[in-house]
Amino acid sequence: SQKIEQNSEALNIQEGKTATLTCNYTNYSPAYLQWYRQDPGRGPVFLLLIRENEKEKRKERLKVTFDTTLKQSLFHITASQPADSATYLCALLSGGYNKLIFGAGTRLAVHP
Amino acid sequence: SAVISQKPSRDICQRGTSLTIQCQVDSQVTMMFWYRQQPGQSLTLIATANQGSEATYESGFVIDKFPISRPNLTFSTLTVSNMSPEDSSIYLCSVSRQGNVYEQYFGPGTRLTVT
Repeated sequence: SQKIEQNSEALNIQEGKTATLTCNYTNYSPAYLQWYRQDPGRGPVFLLLIRENEKEKRKERLKVTFDTTLKQSLFHITASQPADSATYLCALLSGGYNKLIFGAGTRLAVHP
Repeated sequence: SAVISQKPSRDICQRGTSLTIQCQVDSQVTMMFWYRQQPGQSLTLIATANQGSEATYESGFVIDKFPISRPNLTFSTLTVSNMSPEDSSIYLCSVSRQGNVYEQYFGPGTRLTVT
């Protein structure tokens, strides 16, 4: 069955450093991959979408890579700030591109 | 983007009762979805709410337990029927727009506790 794996352990980094989060998937060949941010008590917020023919995508301090050979996406936050502390979810489009399958998310904590 | 509101934001209910959750969007959208997020877990799609017709349910979810309505392009309801403690969860509505169905926008969620 389709499976998405994200690091279940929280990632703790120092302010100003680059945070790198990993999303691996199996039994799946998605055409699109998305990253969302979720703060406690709130719904997920869309951040970035990357297509299978795009190796890398950037948005301000965010960078996403998509390696369809490794079946992996990396999500980077450069010059991290305490305000970046949240849970980051990886999601793949399925079923005719109208259904999202989510990973469990990785919690990021940026310390001053 | 879209502004999505959900009511109620939270509720504590007795087992055996039912709760209806409302989702309102500030503009017309193509797709509306209902998700469940159990504590410490990822989001799981319950169903796609179809305007004017029956919802499309995912494996493991049935209409008798989670009836859904979508009378127009900006509003949907999810009912959690005959609740048990296992239904305690956060229920989230999400939407996507015509021409950009790949990005989904989520409501703030409804935190349900069943005692």
